[in-house]
Amino acid sequence: NAGVTQTPKFQVLKTGQSMTLQCAQDMNHEYMSWYRQDPGMGLRLIHYSVGAGITDQGEVPNGYNVSRSTTEDFPLRLLSAAPSQTSVYFCASSYWRLTSGANVLTFGAGSRLTVL
Amino acid sequence: DQQVKQNSPSLSVQEGRISILNCDYTNSMFDYFLWYKKYPAEGPTFLISISSIKDKNEDGRFTVFLNKSAKHLSLHIVPSQPGDSAVYFCAASGDSNYQLIWGAGTKLIIKP
Repeated sequence: NAGVTQTPKFQVLKTGQSMTLQCAQDMNHEYMSWYRQDPGMGLRLIHYSVGAGITDQGEVPNGYNVSRSTTEDFPLRLLSAAPSQTSVYFCASSYWRLTSGANVLTFGAGSRLTVL
Repeated sequence: DQQVKQNSPSLSVQEGRISILNCDYTNSMFDYFLWYKKYPAEGPTFLISISSIKDKNEDGRFTVFLNKSAKHLSLHIVPSQPGDSAVYFCAASGDSNYQLIWGAGTKLIIKP
């Protein structure tokens, strides 16, 4: 089982460039999400999805787009990169149901993005 | 406003002794609390959780205590081992809102 796979692991962009961070999971999880982690701060939710075709905004969605065409994949698009988007990005998924209690997430290894 | 706070950025503990990591929260509607562990260059991994209807949950060397009146939870690791050196995140969620709110993390260093 691969779990949650993120690509690329590292990326350097110039201001204004666009790119897509890929996320795939093989656990048939309904719930998927993207977080960013910045120094001295907790993980902040960017976007999430509770199933194919359904996405919603999290705490810090500006400058990012997502789509969920399949259960397995949840790509994160940076439309026009800015230095403020320099961060480590984590994709996470879970087999969460409203009746299942705590939302226990499985994380990918992270993608470190630097915007110059 | 930070709803989940981990006030100690780092903690150093001797191998074999007890490590106690603390977490405070402000939202009395939180129903679940989780602890994650993170090694460098890896994603966080789930460690242990507790429901607000309990005050203690134990899993091997790891025990989480919840004090609802003080809005405080703690993670105890006994005995501490070198492999426990990592960043520990506390997270919380409400039953009707499954999104997790995260603390900033505490870096635990286990000294040999």
